Amino acid sequence: GENVEQHPSTLSVQEGDSAVIKCTYSDSASNYFPWYKQELGKRPQLIIDIRSNVGEKKDQRIAVTLNKTAKHFSLHITETQPEDSAVYFCAANQAGTALIFGKGTTLSVSS
Amino acid sequence: DAGVIQSPRHEVTEMGQEVTLRCKPISGHNSLFWYRQTMMRGLELLIYFNNNVPIDDSGMPEDRFSAKMPNASFSTLKIQPSEPRDSAVYFCASSPDRADVLGQYFGPGTRLTVT
Repeated sequence: GENVEQHPSTLSVQEGDSAVIKCTYSDSASNYFPWYKQELGKRPQLIIDIRSNVGEKKDQRIAVTLNKTAKHFSLHITETQPEDSAVYFCAANQAGTALIFGKGTTLSVSS
Repeated sequence: DAGVIQSPRHEVTEMGQEVTLRCKPISGHNSLFWYRQTMMRGLELLIYFNNNVPIDDSGMPEDRFSAKMPNASFSTLKIQPSEPRDSAVYFCASSPDRADVLGQYFGPGTRLTVT
């Protein structure tokens, strides 16, 4: 089955800097890669996703890139703000299967 | 839309007691997922239903855990007997058909504490 590795486990940046979180997956059949943000005490919320027919997707300050050959995908947050502080999870799956999540990255943005 | 609804939001119980967690998926969603979240193990998939049928229950820890989905609008996760190591936040999530179509939406979770 699918296995998703996520790095780093913690990330501290200064407000205004960029943050990058990286994930690798094992199953070459996976074709859907969402990212979730979980604030303290709350539920994970979908913030952006990418499908295997696309190499990059952007939504304001966040972007995701996918390298299917290397089986890795990354989340990029530019101009970070304190409200970006949260735990971020990557996930992967293929049609008809459940999402498999990485272990999460705790992002701290200090002002 | 009310989103995914879970009850109770918090449950404190003693070891050995039966615990039942409940979930109502978003109306029209055909897939339902139960996850367990702990600091040590992160978000673990326990079981996945599609059209009320269990598709993958390989993540269910042991026979003490069971899940049902009697209809499209209700699911339960039962732990009997409960143990302190079951303490975690249990999330239910639903998706329109497949999780890769429009993403997967989580409920608010049930925080379970077993003493």
